[in-house]
Amino acid sequence: EVQLLESGGGLVQRGGSLRLSCAASGFTFSNYAMSWVRQPPGKGLEWVSAISGIGSNTYYADSVKGRFIISRDNSQNTLHLQVNSLRDEDTAVYYCARGGWGSYRGGGIDSWGQGTLVTVSS
Amino acid sequence: DIQMTQSPSSLSASVGDRVTITCRASQSIRSYLNWYQQKPGKAPNLLIYSASTLESGVPSRFSGSGSGTDFTLTITSLQPEDFATYHCQQSYTSPTFGQGTKLEIK
Repeated sequence: EVQLLESGGGLVQRGGSLRLSCAASGFTFSNYAMSWVRQPPGKGLEWVSAISGIGSNTYYADSVKGRFIISRDNSQNTLHLQVNSLRDEDTAVYYCARGGWGSYRGGGIDSWGQGTLVTVSS
Repeated sequence: DIQMTQSPSSLSASVGDRVTITCRASQSIRSYLNWYQQKPGKAPNLLIYSASTLESGVPSRFSGSGSGTDFTLTITSLQPEDFATYHCQQSYTSPTFGQGTKLEIK
């Protein structure tokens, strides 16, 4: 069974940083592109970033480019998102997700974590 | 960025009804369109990918169609567990989602 378990969310001041992590299990982690998708409270979904299976290629939404860094450790089956220079509009539940880039499932996301909440305070 | 527009934003229907949700892209995305169902407090769940391919385990009352810029998600014979929010997502370029359609019980 595919499992994705996020951690690292919390309350952070505007301009601060956090490192989100996602522990993956139940599949061959390095075979899949992985993504982060976020959802502000009461709002829709926004794709944030993706990384290829071997980690050689990374992709970012314009809204986070230059502030967020996605990475992965295939030896530990772990995905990370370093979030820096946080703004009020970054407040959201952040989901770790399998897929979201490339040809697998046509670029769809077939597995999601439970999400971790990042709250940016002023 | 490619903009995705869903309609309606919300709709009310009854158990047993047939409903259709539309998603329109701001430019052609060929068949790179995916649909998700999301229930309150839960992560989304993939229903359909590549516009019309049903994800494994998803009931056959869900179907998708379309290509280019116009797509539809159809649910035949609504069941109580189908009342949720539905999202479309394009995967032709950097992914973008529609704003969501909330399906409520009439």
